[in-house]
Amino acid sequence: DGGITQSPKYLFRKEGQNVTLSCEQNLNHDAMYWYRQDPGQGLRLIYYSQIVNDFQKGDIAEGYSVSREKKESFPLTVTSAQKNPTAFYLCASSQGVGNEQFFGPGTRLTVL
Amino acid sequence: GIQVEQSPPDLILQEGANSTLRCNFSDSVNNLQWFHQNPWGQLINLFYIPSGTKQNGRLSATTVATERYSLLYISSSQTTDSGVYFCAVPQGGFKTIFGAGTRLFVKA
Repeated sequence: DGGITQSPKYLFRKEGQNVTLSCEQNLNHDAMYWYRQDPGQGLRLIYYSQIVNDFQKGDIAEGYSVSREKKESFPLTVTSAQKNPTAFYLCASSQGVGNEQFFGPGTRLTVL
Repeated sequence: GIQVEQSPPDLILQEGANSTLRCNFSDSVNNLQWFHQNPWGQLINLFYIPSGTKQNGRLSATTVATERYSLLYISSSQTTDSGVYFCAVPQGGFKTIFGAGTRLFVKA
């Protein structure tokens, strides 16, 4: 089955630790995205990548980092510099500019 | 940047009722998506509808791009329709702007 997978489903982090969220897609899409969702809110763009080895900051990139070494994978690292990292993180992909986006199941990150 | 407004913010329906959700956007767009976020957080694609009308079972959507709005119709609502409905539009390049959502609860 084609789709997007994210892991882990739930993640707990102590303050001061970096954590990495995984996102993999087998849809052969060029573009991938990371969004953050806070309770009762819409989605905000953290980073996006148009092609391998290229990525751009979104609206709330501070405290986050990404890499795009493979077309299928777009991991997100939440660093200790992110002041309020507790949120729901969603990964998406699309074929290209303006095309329909498809989402993974999300990762819930809680900072203890 | 482009603004996206959804209404109503909250909606409670009795099972079997029909409803219309609205998405207004402040600038011309070349595509629009409707999503359903289920209680577990998964975003499910409903429609990719830059203009015109599409139907999928009990759901249909209409986008009038020249008047900058889109409507999502839910007929004969079921409890499984509960969740949050988002519309999203592109803003230059790869950026997508999401509305704040309409929270729907369908009572049995």
